[in-house]
Amino acid sequence: GENVEQHPSTLSVQEGDSAVIKCTYSDSASNYFPWYKQELGKGPQLIIDIRSNVGEKKDQRIAVTLNKTAKHFSLHITETQPEDSAVYFCAASKNFYSGGYQKVTFGIGTKLQVIP
Amino acid sequence: GAVVSQHPSWVICKSGTSVKIECRSLDFQATTMFWYRQFPKQSLMLMATSNEGSKATYEQGVEKDKFLINHASLTLSTLTVTSAHPEDSSFYICSARKPGPVGYEQYFGPGTRLTVT
Repeated sequence: GENVEQHPSTLSVQEGDSAVIKCTYSDSASNYFPWYKQELGKGPQLIIDIRSNVGEKKDQRIAVTLNKTAKHFSLHITETQPEDSAVYFCAASKNFYSGGYQKVTFGIGTKLQVIP
Repeated sequence: GAVVSQHPSWVICKSGTSVKIECRSLDFQATTMFWYRQFPKQSLMLMATSNEGSKATYEQGVEKDKFLINHASLTLSTLTVTSAHPEDSSFYICSARKPGPVGYEQYFGPGTRLTVT
């Protein structure tokens, strides 16, 4: 089955600096890579995703890159703010387009702390 | 939008009793919903995949007789923890799969904190 590795497990940055979280996956058939932000005591919130036919996607201060050959993808947050502090999970799944059995495999999570 | 709700948000029950958790997709129909379990400071563990009108598919190691899942409509799935024990205390999160213009995305509910005393 799919295995998703994520690092670092914790990350502290100064407000205004950039944060980068990296993930690798094992199943070359995976074609959908969402990123979730989870605040304490809440469910994960989808913040950005990327599909296998795209190499990069950006949404304001958040960007995600995908390297299918190397099977790794990264989340980039620029101009970090204290409200960005949370746990971020990367994930991978297949059958995104067909809707077939679509188990999402999560990374272990990265606790991001933005220091004011 | 894509809003998923869960009820209750937290529940405390006594050992041996059963607890039902509801998951609803509020603004879309979800033929498939998922149930996850999350321990403190850990990642999400998929328990089962719930398909509307059919039996749920459980992940390896998850007791289907203990964690009963019912997906009776396109907007509602329920998870019943039967004969709960303290080791069942956890954060339970559901997600619903929404068909988009290109493919299928998953949106999560806010979670339910279960404490078994």
